[in-house]
Amino acid sequence: EPEVTQTPSHQVTQMGQEVILRCVPISNHLYFYWYRQILGQKVEFLVSFYNNEISEKSEIFDDQFSVERPDGSNFTLKIRSTKLEDSAMYFCASSVSSNEQFFGPGTRLTVL
Amino acid sequence: DAKTTQPPSMDCAEGRAANLPCNHSTISGNEYVYWYRQIHSQGPQYIIHGLKNNETNEMASLIITEDRKSSTLILPHATLRDTAVYYCIVRVAGGAGSYQLTFGKGTKLSVIP
Repeated sequence: EPEVTQTPSHQVTQMGQEVILRCVPISNHLYFYWYRQILGQKVEFLVSFYNNEISEKSEIFDDQFSVERPDGSNFTLKIRSTKLEDSAMYFCASSVSSNEQFFGPGTRLTVL
Repeated sequence: DAKTTQPPSMDCAEGRAANLPCNHSTISGNEYVYWYRQIHSQGPQYIIHGLKNNETNEMASLIITEDRKSSTLILPHATLRDTAVYYCIVRVAGGAGSYQLTFGKGTKLSVIP
């Protein structure tokens, strides 16, 4: 069964450093998303991406964040200068349409 | 999107049906009810969705009241692997609507041996 994959599973970085989280969505999906979950808190929407552009973003997704689909398979989330409060699980998701979204296993980001 | 209300936690005996309620009294006519679950910090997993008719798939059944102000997710024979946080989400599907999912705190279901 096709699934969304994410790498790395765990990323440790120093405050102020740039990180890139990678996702491979399901191959025939057209909509791509990033969510995050701070430990013990709710899953929060960050951004959705369709037709090579951002279709929606939340207040969390400020200028420090960017997304890209550099080729036909990868979907990346870049945080330019990480802060302690960026420590969280980051989930990528994809969907064919506006119905069910399929989530990846997540990347745990730890900012020291 | 309409707001939902779920109990914070529930227990269910293994092998019995788990019935998870959700209130969404401000739901609009074009909003669907979606259910996802999250097993211990894994990525959320889609379970089922519906508009007004009851729905069933290999994982669960979704019962929506006639006035659509509440719904119940039914796991017919709960197993230990169904222990998870279950989220009821109401949103528009299709067209030019927002695609983001707004997760609440959900219901933590504990399946007990």
